[in-house]
Amino acid sequence: KAGVTQTPRYLIKTRGQQVTLSCSPISGHRSVSWYQQTPGQGLQFLFEYFSETQRNKGNFPGRFSGRQFSNSRSEMNVSTLELGDSALYLCASTSSASGGLSSYNEQFFGPGTRLTVL
Amino acid sequence: AQSVTQLGSHVSVSEGALVLLRCNYSSSVPPYLFWYVQYPNQGLQLLLKYTTGATLVKGINGFEAEFKKSETSFHLTKPSAHMSDAAEYFCAVSAGSSGSARQLTFGSGTQLTVLP
Repeated sequence: KAGVTQTPRYLIKTRGQQVTLSCSPISGHRSVSWYQQTPGQGLQFLFEYFSETQRNKGNFPGRFSGRQFSNSRSEMNVSTLELGDSALYLCASTSSASGGLSSYNEQFFGPGTRLTVL
Repeated sequence: AQSVTQLGSHVSVSEGALVLLRCNYSSSVPPYLFWYVQYPNQGLQLLLKYTTGATLVKGINGFEAEFKKSETSFHLTKPSAHMSDAAEYFCAVSAGSSGSARQLTFGSGTQLTVLP
């Protein structure tokens, strides 16, 4: 079974530009979450999508957005890039449909997209 | 709200020695707790998780952790370190059985170095 795929793996942009990152979850997984990892702030939750709907959102400005397609693939977009947006962006997929006590399933993480903003 | 504190951003042990990585959490609801490992230029891999039931949890690669509610701790241990254990380790908490169970709050990470 193929793992979580993220494209591209590396990206260099300049301030003010926008960027779109892609995540393909494990086949059959319907939930996709995004995290930002930086040396200063560590790992922070961005948002989670399930069945094309955003279910949870972290504390990030509106420049950060995402979407999920009917095949569960997800994209995240960052507009008007700032230097501080340089980070490793991780995507995680899980098969669980709900957050119930007995239904938690492991989040499988992709290798990440390394975004550098110059 | 949840939070995680990992004591020690860098830990060094000799090969064959005990590994102990410390994690304390804060949660307003019964938590789910996790340990992840990250190797350079890779994503996160789940080592083990505590949701309910037995408080001593065994994971992959010989790691285990014990959930101690009274101490709000979830320390990670391994009896004998191996060179391949060198990596960064993250403790994480989620809001248990609530609807945001997949929203993980991570600690700042502990870089484990294994000395020959």
